Amino acid sequence: GAGVSQSPRYKVTKRGQDVALRCDPISGHVSLYWYRQALGQGPEFLTYFNYEAQQDKSGLPNDRFSAERPEGSISTLTIQRTEQRDSAMYRCASSLGDGQETQYFGPGTRLLVL
Amino acid sequence: QKEVEQNSGPLSVPEGAIASLNCTYSDRGSQSFFWYRQYSGKSPELIMSIYSNGDKEDGRFTAQLNKASQYVSLLIRDSQPSDSATYLCAVIWGEYGNKLVFGAGTILRVKS
Repeated sequence: GAGVSQSPRYKVTKRGQDVALRCDPISGHVSLYWYRQALGQGPEFLTYFNYEAQQDKSGLPNDRFSAERPEGSISTLTIQRTEQRDSAMYRCASSLGDGQETQYFGPGTRLLVL
Repeated sequence: QKEVEQNSGPLSVPEGAIASLNCTYSDRGSQSFFWYRQYSGKSPELIMSIYSNGDKEDGRFTAQLNKASQYVSLLIRDSQPSDSATYLCAVIWGEYGNKLVFGAGTILRVKS
């Protein structure tokens, strides 16, 4: 079946603009995660949803970052007033349910803030 | 001390040899451990998961877990050039946690 999909795959924006990154998890997966990955590093946790409930947002760097998953399926990560330091690969992952199971990663969105 | 530590490498092994990748973690409450492989420019792909002390084998891959020593390893037997990638160790943080905490990854190079 289809894996995790993300869009756009690449996003170039100017400093100060808002961006919205979309994640469509594997069908039937109730848990959804957002990570950010810098070059040469492992992914860094941002936030986690169980169905539509945002259970953990401890990894969001500041209040310019927000995420939602209103219907328990597709999720959007929004970055307001982007800064150059926000440039990174943003990865979404999903898993079957609330527990310590395998997370499957999407292809990521490469964000470049000029 | 970093939460999950890996030697960044690169680790170079000849084709056909055993590659040994190591990882230590700091949270004694963690119960779930994963090895992901990441090719350059691609997303992390699950190789192995391990939850109990001891060894778990899957084809050419063996994961080893020692919770007392807070140590996880991955052995790749009969290494192939196609195994050349970055290997990421990941730990579900805390006994009831959900977030994965990753190491920085070890670069493996298999030379033919």
